[in-house]
Amino acid sequence: KNEVEQSPQNLTAQEGEFITINCSYSVGISALHWLQQHPGGGIVSLFMLSSGKKKHGRLIATINIQEKHSSLHITASHPRDSAVYICAVTSLKSSGDKLTFGTGTRLAVRP
Amino acid sequence: DSGVTQTPKHLITATGQRVTLRCSPRSGDLSVYWYQQSLDQGLQFLIHYYNGEERAKGNILERFSAQQFPDLHSELNLSSLELGDSALYFCASSVSGRLAGEQFFGPGTRLTVL
Repeated sequence: KNEVEQSPQNLTAQEGEFITINCSYSVGISALHWLQQHPGGGIVSLFMLSSGKKKHGRLIATINIQEKHSSLHITASHPRDSAVYICAVTSLKSSGDKLTFGTGTRLAVRP
Repeated sequence: DSGVTQTPKHLITATGQRVTLRCSPRSGDLSVYWYQQSLDQGLQFLIHYYNGEERAKGNILERFSAQQFPDLHSELNLSSLELGDSALYFCASSVSGRLAGEQFFGPGTRLTVL
């Protein structure tokens, strides 16, 4: 079992829909990251969370440390939101921090 | 534009060769991280440098090495290249010295090994 699991793997939505992408992890973490990778390959860091909730424009990220679960929500989705969304967790080790990625959720928003 | 630059954008080489990928972090960032993204393995963390010192190691092969120079730019050296090394290589930078800090990604170097 992967340390970081994302669901769904693929998601198609109509413009304007509310979207939720889930991330579950199995290790103790110090932070969770949500990244966006556009079709051209560029990666943008959307959020870094260690607790609670963060909001940036139409994007909202939440984390529940006890349940080892995070969600990324997109409100009023738009075709330009089409991208791969990747969850990653940082776990602290005595040998050095470790960063583990999920396999990504591919989102397509249709006009 | 994240402020992180990577060169070259594309690199095509043959098996057995050695290549060097370069990364310049955002102004003021002391940390540089290297990642590999291949089709079959997804994104993987390779190595983290902070102010010239290695801070954390991920799934980096022994054929790969990295360093961060006094001007804070970093180079990732890949040697004895194999077909399976074909991938996108990203670097990222941050102010933080820990992997828990917010990171800014460069545009990536696409390596093709023939």
